[in-house]
Amino acid sequence: DIVMTQSPLSVAPGEPASISCRSSQSLLHYNGYNYLNWYLQKPGQSPHLLIYLGSNRASGVPDRFSGSGSGTDFTLKISRVEAEDVGIYYCMKALQTPYTFGQGTRLEIK
Amino acid sequence: QVQLQESGPGLVKPSQTLSLTCTVSGGSISSDDYYWGWIRQPPGKGLEWIGHIYYSGNTFYNPSLESRLSISIDTSKNQFSLRLSSVTAADTAVYYCARTSWGYFDYWGQGALVTVSS
Repeated sequence: DIVMTQSPLSVAPGEPASISCRSSQSLLHYNGYNYLNWYLQKPGQSPHLLIYLGSNRASGVPDRFSGSGSGTDFTLKISRVEAEDVGIYYCMKALQTPYTFGQGTRLEIK
Repeated sequence: QVQLQESGPGLVKPSQTLSLTCTVSGGSISSDDYYWGWIRQPPGKGLEWIGHIYYSGNTFYNPSLESRLSISIDTSKNQFSLRLSSVTAADTAVYYCARTSWGYFDYWGQGALVTVSS
């Protein structure tokens, strides 16, 4: 189904971080979009959208976050981790229903 | 700015029906650009998509819940609702409502904890 990078991911402030998401099926639609989205759930909060359709940053998301990949393999990259980036990151496939979330990757600050 | 707010009982007895309503403000639920969905998260666990609905009433349900699930919409009140029947302790979760378009959820409610217990 969907498998993400193992938790926890421990990263020092200012260092880059990378989270992988692998789908058992291609998420590339014939319209050219990859139906793979990334969310961050900070402690005690609702999840919020970071990246949609594989590589598009959601409104208000800092440009240190980027999404890449196509087909079955996707990556969320944080160029320089900040303390406020702690939480659980989820990818979600949405090419067709049922939508499915990955198991989540917890990011910790060293 | 679109806002969503879940409401409903926080405690439901086993075998009974869980009912939640999501009230949308700052935007029309009748927009033909969006669907309106439900996602849940058991305590300490990950996220599960429940289903979503279009303003016309067209629905998409998670097959694992479909036999017990009903999602409805009331455009006059700018609300949509979730009903899950025959609940067990496994249905204890925080239930989120959210707006969806092109397969991504861009606005989320704050979540409502529903506990199934006698």
